[in-house]
Amino acid sequence: DTAVSQTPKYLVTQMGNDKSIKCEQNLGHDTMYWYKQDSKKFLKIMFSYNNKELIINETVPNRFSPKSPDKAHLNLHINSLELGDSAVYFCASSQGGRGEKLFFGSGTQLSVL
Amino acid sequence: QKEVEQDPGPLSVPEGAIVSLNCTYSNSAFQYFMWYRQYSRKGPELLMYTYSSGNKEDGRFTAQVDKSSKYISLFIRDSQPSDSATYLCAMSEGRGSTLGRLYFGRGTQLTVWP
Repeated sequence: DTAVSQTPKYLVTQMGNDKSIKCEQNLGHDTMYWYKQDSKKFLKIMFSYNNKELIINETVPNRFSPKSPDKAHLNLHINSLELGDSAVYFCASSQGGRGEKLFFGSGTQLSVL
Repeated sequence: QKEVEQDPGPLSVPEGAIVSLNCTYSNSAFQYFMWYRQYSRKGPELLMYTYSSGNKEDGRFTAQVDKSSKYISLFIRDSQPSDSATYLCAMSEGRGSTLGRLYFGRGTQLTVWP
């Protein structure tokens, strides 16, 4: 019974393509997040949604567009992929918007060739 | 990413050793302090959570926060090979426009050998 699940686990694609990563949580949490972990292991927040409403929109290129159809799902669509987008993308959730106690998914390793 | 500094290691210790991990930070508005553990190819999992200054103990793990020095620590007693992972510190202001935004250190890679 995975609490926060994201798919796919690995994503290898060519520059210029459009791709999506899906995330679902079964914890009943009302806030979901996307974090990016770069090659140096820095985890940095990209977006957060609280009950389908965008709360945090960090300085992220417009090519990244999150979508939350309901509070249990948060998807990430990326247009016109670039080499620099290669990273591990983590979905997370928490109860309440403070974000101190995050539950993370296993990550999606994105490789842009 | 300069707000939270963490020595990436790697740190290698024998089983049974006491491990000390630490982070420093510059933002005096941080109120919430966390330690996450990340195994290889997995997402981080919350290990310890502390609000403001003080100590918190949970089994073999002790978290300390010294806000006056802007310094936090995680101690692992009687370390086990299963503790081998990357440990990330994280902090947040937990209020206002920064609600929900965590700032992570880059993680310290720990190996505990039998």
